[in-house]
Amino acid sequence: QKEVEQDPGPLSVPEGAIVSLNCTYSNSAFQYFMWYRQYSRKGPELLMYTYSSGNKEDGRFTAQVDKSSKYISLFIRDSQPSDSATYLCAMSEFSGGYNKLIFGAGTRLAVHP
Amino acid sequence: GAGVSQSPRYKVAKRGQDVALRCDPISGHVSLFWYQQALGQGPEFLTYFQNEAQLDKSGLPSDRFFAERPEGSVSTLKIQRTQQEDSAVYLCASSPERGQTYGYTFGSGTRLTVV
Repeated sequence: QKEVEQDPGPLSVPEGAIVSLNCTYSNSAFQYFMWYRQYSRKGPELLMYTYSSGNKEDGRFTAQVDKSSKYISLFIRDSQPSDSATYLCAMSEFSGGYNKLIFGAGTRLAVHP
Repeated sequence: GAGVSQSPRYKVAKRGQDVALRCDPISGHVSLFWYQQALGQGPEFLTYFQNEAQLDKSGLPSDRFFAERPEGSVSTLKIQRTQQEDSAVYLCASSPERGQTYGYTFGSGTRLTVV
């Protein structure tokens, strides 16, 4: 079993829909939780970052972390065709003076007009 | 430069050939990571440098993989005697601080195809 599980999709939604993306994990030592967006043939870019449990909102994006359930979510409101990409969850524990990110497999999202 | 630069963008290697992949991190960035991303998968950690010191190489899949960062800036990932299972995108990421907990900047990667 992988440390981080993420449904690969694909997920196809109409423009304007609310999108929910999720990951589960098994390592209770993870403290830092991130969502990256990756466009085709590009490197991942950081979207959201959360430390420990709680919610964080940034524009149309909301990240949630529930450490008791080992479950994290990313919500995208009013989805746009430009949101079409692969979304990767990532998490880490700060050990040895640096953070080694552990990624999920990524969920492919397509937002159609 | 403004971002992390990787070269070449694409590399086709015959099975058994040696390859070298280059990463130019953002100037002044202390930390540098290499990740391997297989098709349809998330990136997997290969190795970590703090300046010129390779502090973690636990993710390198075999002794055919070797990475260096001799002057604490440019890094090279070398794969000897390439195999088909080495086909993947190799991503480099850097961050300005040793203890940074988020916000690594990734390059666009080198797509390696072994035929």
